[in-house]
Amino acid sequence: KAGVTQTPRYLIKTRGQQVTLSCSPISGHRSVSWYQQTPGQGLQFLFEYFSETQRNKGNFPGRFSGRQFSNSRSEMNVSTLELGDSALYLCASRGNRSQETQYFGPGTRLLVL
Amino acid sequence: ILNVEQSPQSLHVQEGDSTNFTCSFPSSNFYALHWYRWETAKSPEALFVMTLNGDEKKKGRISATLNTKEGYSYLYIKGSQPEDSATYLCAYSGSARQLTFGSGTQLTVLP
Repeated sequence: KAGVTQTPRYLIKTRGQQVTLSCSPISGHRSVSWYQQTPGQGLQFLFEYFSETQRNKGNFPGRFSGRQFSNSRSEMNVSTLELGDSALYLCASRGNRSQETQYFGPGTRLLVL
Repeated sequence: ILNVEQSPQSLHVQEGDSTNFTCSFPSSNFYALHWYRWETAKSPEALFVMTLNGDEKKKGRISATLNTKEGYSYLYIKGSQPEDSATYLCAYSGSARQLTFGSGTQLTVLP
């Protein structure tokens, strides 16, 4: 089975722009979670989508949003980018919400200049 | 705000040494405790998920224990090898079923 894939792997943007990141879960997995990793804060939960519905949301501003499509692929959008949004963005999938283990993708490294 | 603490922050050991790390987490609303291994330039890899007080899990030379009443988990590596060098993350899952991660223990095994 193919693992979780994320595109793009690297991205450079400037302040004020917006960005969309994509995550394709393991085939058959319906839950996708997004995390932000920065050196100072560690891995922080952004949101989880299951069956196209947002189920949980972390403590991030409204500039961070996401969606999930009927094929379980998910996108994350960040509008009006700030320098502090520079981070590694990871997504993780699991089969359903009763399964605990989450499988992570390789991440998208975003640099905001 | 949930607090998941890991110690030590970093650790250097010689090849062949055994080592252990600690993860402390809130004991209220506990659902599961996860351990992940994260090697540089790779994806975090799930090691264990534990849900019951007293759980012990083992995978090769790596094992973990769980105490939900006092809110801690230990990860043990027996006979460390250079390929064990990685950051080891624990994550708490509460009733909301979302993961709250600790900041990790960075292990370096010297040959």
